[in-house]
Amino acid sequence: EPEVTQTPSHQVTQMGQEVILRCVPISNHLYFYWYRQILGQKVEFLVSFYNNEISEKSEIFDDQFSVERPDGSNFTLKIRSTKLEDSAMYFCAKVDRGGELFFGEGSRLTVL
Amino acid sequence: AQKVTQAQTEISVVEKEDVTLDCVYETRDTTYYLFWYKQPPSGELVFLIRRNSFDEQNEISGRYSWNFQKSTSSFNFTITASQVVDSAVYFCALSEAENTDKLIFGTGTRLQVFP
Repeated sequence: EPEVTQTPSHQVTQMGQEVILRCVPISNHLYFYWYRQILGQKVEFLVSFYNNEISEKSEIFDDQFSVERPDGSNFTLKIRSTKLEDSAMYFCAKVDRGGELFFGEGSRLTVL
Repeated sequence: AQKVTQAQTEISVVEKEDVTLDCVYETRDTTYYLFWYKQPPSGELVFLIRRNSFDEQNEISGRYSWNFQKSTSSFNFTITASQVVDSAVYFCALSEAENTDKLIFGTGTRLQVFP
């Protein structure tokens, strides 16, 4: 059973539309992360989220992006107005007690 | 600045061959962490190992082994007796003490194991 579940597994959207990607960790954790992987490229850090606040974000994480934990369990990444270059695999991650970073199975976003 | 270099873009081997995936890193920190992840064709990122900078002992887990050498800033990964199921992209990553969960990834090495 995956420790982090992500939905949707694949979303196709039109440019300019809002997208919400969801992450549900199996157990209670305070730290969450979003990473992104453009097809065929390396994985890049987007944002870390601790105790319901952003603790760090990368240059990629501009004003079009936001994260929140609306109901204490789901952890969401919102892209307000998608661009073609937002097409990528988005990974949610959490840290295990041993300091190991476990990734979800990813949500593939395709922007047309 | 932190950087991870995986110079091998793609490696092809025949089943049962041993294969080593290279990883060279750059960091100014004395405390840091190194990781390897496997990304099979299905796309998920599978955690393989996390090693801190103070632990230079080589690690073996089944057919997998890791060789950490601070003197050359390398953290190489060897698969012994490769199998077709080992075919995947393998990523090496680095994080630093100040933010241990912010990983800097290399560009990955695609391993193809042929029967």
